[in-house]
Amino acid sequence: NAGVTQTPKFRILKIGQSMTLQCTQDMNHNYMYWYRQDPGMGLKLIYYSVGAGITDKGEVPNGYNVSRSTTEDFPLRLELAAPSQTSVYFCASSQALIQGRDQPQHFGDGTRLSIL
Amino acid sequence: GQQLNQSPQSMFIQEGEDVSMNCTSSSIFNTWLWYKQDPGEGPVLLIALYKAGELTSNGRLTAQFGITRKDSFLNISASIPSDVGIYFCAGQDNIQGAQKLVFGQGTRLTINP
Repeated sequence: NAGVTQTPKFRILKIGQSMTLQCTQDMNHNYMYWYRQDPGMGLKLIYYSVGAGITDKGEVPNGYNVSRSTTEDFPLRLELAAPSQTSVYFCASSQALIQGRDQPQHFGDGTRLSIL
Repeated sequence: GQQLNQSPQSMFIQEGEDVSMNCTSSSIFNTWLWYKQDPGEGPVLLIALYKAGELTSNGRLTAQFGITRKDSFLNISASIPSDVGIYFCAGQDNIQGAQKLVFGQGTRLTINP
């Protein structure tokens, strides 16, 4: 069982370039999330999705776009890369409430992105 | 916005010692979580707390959710080398069915053998 898979693991971009960070999960989870983690800090929510076709902004959405055409995939797009977007990006997924309890998020191993 | 303050930021201990770290929030959360992150990996859930005052154990780990729902502590007993890593607290609220997490800054644990 692969869980949450992120690609690529590492990437270096030049300022102004664009790229898509891929995230796929095989657990049939409805909810998916994108976070960024800056050095020495906790994770901050960029965007999230409650199901295919539905996305919403998190705490730090500026400079990013997402789409959710399938349950499994939740790609994150950077249109005009900026040095401030150098970070480690984590994708996560979770399932719906079970017996009224929030279910934990399962994280991928991250994409380390440097913008020079 | 919501903020979680986690302390200490780092700890240097001897193998076998007990560890304690805590987290406070300016906001109330429905659920409180403790994660561990190893280098090059994503966070892995250690303990989830759902009720105010709840005390939960997972092996050598014990965590409690504060009565006010604004704080929590995590204890690790008899530390071993594999406990090394960064520990994060996270407050969780339910938004449209999705779980919105707010993370603390992390506590980096280093263990001297």
